Amino acid sequence: DIVMTQSPLSLPVTPGEPASISCRSTQSLLRSDGDNYLDWYLQKPGQSPHLLIYLGSNRASGVPDRFSGSGSGTDFTLKISRVEAEDVGVYFCMQSQQTPYTFGQGTKLEIK
Amino acid sequence: EVQLVQSGAEVKKPGESLKISCKVSGHGLSDYWIAWVRQMPGKGLEWMGSIYPRNSDTTYSPSFQGQVTISADKSIDTAYLQWSSLKASDTAIYYCARQTTSYAHWGQGTQVTVS
Repeated sequence: DIVMTQSPLSLPVTPGEPASISCRSTQSLLRSDGDNYLDWYLQKPGQSPHLLIYLGSNRASGVPDRFSGSGSGTDFTLKISRVEAEDVGVYFCMQSQQTPYTFGQGTKLEIK
Repeated sequence: EVQLVQSGAEVKKPGESLKISCKVSGHGLSDYWIAWVRQMPGKGLEWMGSIYPRNSDTTYSPSFQGQVTISADKSIDTAYLQWSSLKASDTAIYYCARQTTSYAHWGQGTQVTVS
């Protein structure tokens, strides 16, 4: 199985400040089609996860442009340019390069 | 608008069987993989497996192979997750999710408590 490792696991952020989460995989998530099969999800308290970024760097419908994804191969980053109070929750990366799909441990973002 | 609506919370005893459901509306079930994801209390997300309802092709995570059964009834746009003999360690929230490029649509989750 591909192991996904996120850091940090806890991320206290002051509103208006930037935030960054790293996700690393034990195998390359880059396919021959040129896409990286890496997604980012946010699970707000008491809610189902929802998609933020797909194929490494594409914002999902309705996701604010303060969220961006980057990286390729085995190293990926989710960045929030200016954190807002509504961004609190747990962020997960997930690889869909091969089954079984696997998630990172989650990064809990909280507001300072 | 695509919606995934899951069946309600369940409280069961160890050894009992259970089948929970995920009904897809707004677009047919058949043409997309439907996955099940487990979230144990206070923990992260675990991909259990998925099914392609058009031909019932199913794939399981090795961690869940033989422990659960994933099925679908495309005539009623519903996917299922079932256990033949529950354990206390099956206590969790179970989510279904529909895959296009990614899991853009999720159900609201079904809480399963085994005690």
